[in-house]
Amino acid sequence: KAGVTQTPRYLIKTRGQQVTLSCSPISGHRSVSWYQQTPGQGLQFLFEYFSETQRNKGNFPGRFSGRQFSNSRSEMNVSTLELGDSALYLCASSFGTEGDIQYFGAGTRLSVL
Amino acid sequence: GQNIDQPTEMTATEGAIVQINCTYQTSGFNGLFWYQQHAAEAPTFLSYNVLDGLEEKGRFSSFLSRSKGYSYLLLKELQMKDSASYLCASLDSNYQLIWGAGTKLIIKP
Repeated sequence: KAGVTQTPRYLIKTRGQQVTLSCSPISGHRSVSWYQQTPGQGLQFLFEYFSETQRNKGNFPGRFSGRQFSNSRSEMNVSTLELGDSALYLCASSFGTEGDIQYFGAGTRLSVL
Repeated sequence: GQNIDQPTEMTATEGAIVQINCTYQTSGFNGLFWYQQHAAEAPTFLSYNVLDGLEEKGRFSSFLSRSKGYSYLLLKELQMKDSASYLCASLDSNYQLIWGAGTKLIIKP
């Protein structure tokens, strides 16, 4: 059974650019959550999508957006990149019921220069 | 506010036992998760406690005290491969995971 796949694994962008990250969940999982991970900060929740609808949202600016497709694949977009957006972006998939175990992808490491 | 506290870094010796503590203050509580994350890898699920007490799973055990807002992860017979970060996360009243910053565990031979 394939795990959670995130592409690309690494990205280098410059300030002001925009970026799209992709996440393919485990087959059968309908929920995809996105997190930002920076050293010493822990995982910061961005948003969760379930059945193509945003079900939960963290405290990030509107530059961070996402969507989910009918096959449960999800994309996250960051517009007008800032230096502080440099981080590891992780997605996690689950069946979407309360208290479910989340299974993580290896992440996309974004560097903003 | 919501807060999860765990030590930043711990060091232990191969073959020994180590306990990683986690205290949480979240709006509502629906369980406590522990994940392991090796450098440059995805976090992987270790345990989920929703009731008070100790749950044992091989060399790893997890304990929860809801009245104290406290959990710990106990690792026995430490192996070099246990060197990793250990993440504690509380599931709040909205069933959203609130994460600690992680504890980096260094195992020495």
